[in-house]
Amino acid sequence: AQTVTQSQPEMSVQEAETVTLSCTYDTSESDYYLFWYKQPPSRQMILVIRQEAYKQQNATENRFSVNFQKAAKSFSLKISDSQLGDAAMYFCAYRILTQGGSEKLVFGKGTKLTVNP
Amino acid sequence: NAGVMQNPRHLVRRRGQEARLRCSPMKGHSHVYWYRQLPEEGLKFMVYLQKENIIDESGMPKERFSAEFPKEGPSILRIQQVVRGDSAAYFCASSEYTGELFFGEGSRLTVL
Repeated sequence: AQTVTQSQPEMSVQEAETVTLSCTYDTSESDYYLFWYKQPPSRQMILVIRQEAYKQQNATENRFSVNFQKAAKSFSLKISDSQLGDAAMYFCAYRILTQGGSEKLVFGKGTKLTVNP
Repeated sequence: NAGVMQNPRHLVRRRGQEARLRCSPMKGHSHVYWYRQLPEEGLKFMVYLQKENIIDESGMPKERFSAEFPKEGPSILRIQQVVRGDSAAYFCASSEYTGELFFGEGSRLTVL
């Protein structure tokens, strides 16, 4: 069964500094998608970044980048130049596509990021 | 283009009552997903629907929970005879075929 593990329940970072959030996953598939979602206090789930497993190049979106290590099944998120608005819960997720035509996301338990001014 | 709309945002029910949560997908999206988030947890998949069809309900509790996505109107998640353990945030997401999922703001159910 696919599982997603986020080993850091909480992290903190100083404003303008860099922080890395960890995520590992377990799968027997060779092609899949990985995501990082942000959930601010408003509770809406906001897609931060996406990585296709067949792409060797790490995805980057402005201040957000990933370190995708396929062999190690690791997918960490790096936030550079942290801003107060980055404070939120961050969820790592893996997308499952089933033979029956279904798809679903499997989420980790999340990491609460605090940004200190 | 309006996003995924969920209502109500907050719903309070007493044990034994029924809860109905509604979700209007983004315009042009025919795929709807429901996820549940318990306190201090990540989202857990419940059900995946296309218009008038349930594609995957492997995450739905066997009893008291049902979902539909009619030809016209929003998708409905229905919980009958609610219990305290049903208290959670329920998120709806929509997509085009195997595209990016767009989430609504969630409906928070509190069972007294």
